[in-house]
Order: sequence, then C-alpha cells, then structure tokens
Amino acid sequence: QKEVEQNSGPLSVPEGAIASLNCTYSDRGSQSFFWYRQYSGKSPELIMFIYSNGDKEDGRFTAQLNKASQYVSLLIRDSQPSDSATYLCAALASGGSYIPTFGRGTSLIVHP
Amino acid sequence: DTGVSQDPRHKITKRGQNVTFRCDPISEHNRLYWYRQTLGQGPEFLTYFQNEAQLEKSRLLSDRFSAERPKGSFSTLEIQRTEQGDSAMYLCASSPRGGNTDTQYFGPGTRLTVL
Repeated sequence: QKEVEQNSGPLSVPEGAIASLNCTYSDRGSQSFFWYRQYSGKSPELIMFIYSNGDKEDGRFTAQLNKASQYVSLLIRDSQPSDSATYLCAALASGGSYIPTFGRGTSLIVHP
Repeated sequence: DTGVSQDPRHKITKRGQNVTFRCDPISEHNRLYWYRQTLGQGPEFLTYFQNEAQLEKSRLLSDRFSAERPKGSFSTLEIQRTEQGDSAMYLCASSPRGGNTDTQYFGPGTRLTVL
C-alpha cells in the first residue's frame, strides 16, 4: 500500500515566521510531488510541484525534495493569517499510471 | 469561468436512494479524476479517465459506485443504494495529459449527506 504521511497538526506559527510542513512517502518509485492548499469547506488548490532533488522556489513558497530519504517539505516564508489552511502533500505513482496518493494534510494556523 | 465545475454542489438524500454527480473538466484537459474526501483525510482516489476510456476503476469503493465519460468531455459519478457511510465530499479534477509533471485542477466538489 503506497502511503504519504503528514503530521495532522495543527502547526501554529506567528505572523511573519517561516512555516515548515513535512511529508514522507513510501513508494520509492514516485517521481513527482505536489503541494495543495485547502481552506475549510473548499477544494484543494495547487501551490506547486517538484520532481527534482533539491529546492524549488515560487514566491514565498519553497518546496524541498530528498528522494534518498523519501521526504518532501514545503516552507512558507513571511507567513500570513491568510495562509491558515490545510496543506496536502501528494505523490504521483510510479509505473506510468500517474495516480496521485494524498496525505491527510497538515493544518496550519498563522496567528497575528 | 474556465475552471472545473461540478453539479450539484450539495446533495442530501435518504439511505437507499441513487445519486448522480456531474463534472465538467477544463475544456482542453484529457484526464479526469474522481476522489472522495472525508473530514480530516486527504482526497482518496476513486477512478480516472483518459478521454472517454476509464483506465482505472478497481479502486471504486464498491460495486455501488460507477462512473462514465461517454464523449470524453463531462463525466458522471453514480452511487446506487446510498449508505450513511457514503456521506463525504466528492471531488473531480482534470489535468492536461498525464505525465510526471501533470498537475490536476480540482472542482469545487459535491458534498453528499446521506440521512
């Protein structure tokens, strides 16, 4: 069973701080990883994806991938109260089916 | 609006009734996915289509669940003889083509409540 593990949180950070969200995955053959943000009662919206080892930056967001450790993270710099949401990590299956497996999400609370 | 749309947004039904949900993907997207999401969990994959072909359906939750995409455009998800455990958010997503960098875009979801 392919699994994606996330700490459900909540992770509470003060406004302006860096929020660090982590994810591990079991399928060593997974090629691509996605971070989605989901506000309460809404559907997931894509933040960014990463498929190469190392860091990928997009504005205040940085995704980090370490395939040897099967570890993905998302850093949010200068956190804002509007960043308060659940962050979902997804790993794209190996073998060509391209079916993603989602973690249960980490709840982030940014307090003023 | 060029995003993924779903209809209805909310559905309340009685146990034992059949329900059908519709998803209209982004127009140029070939792939269409269905997920179920319950409170505190991530989306759970159900099935997906490449154009009109249903490429994976073994993860539909039971034989009460079925999906179609007859012309490769919109899709429907039907649940027969609904049970209270079917209460959840049903999400549809579409993506352009598959592949390692293929990103999925989600619709607003249909929230099902089975009484």
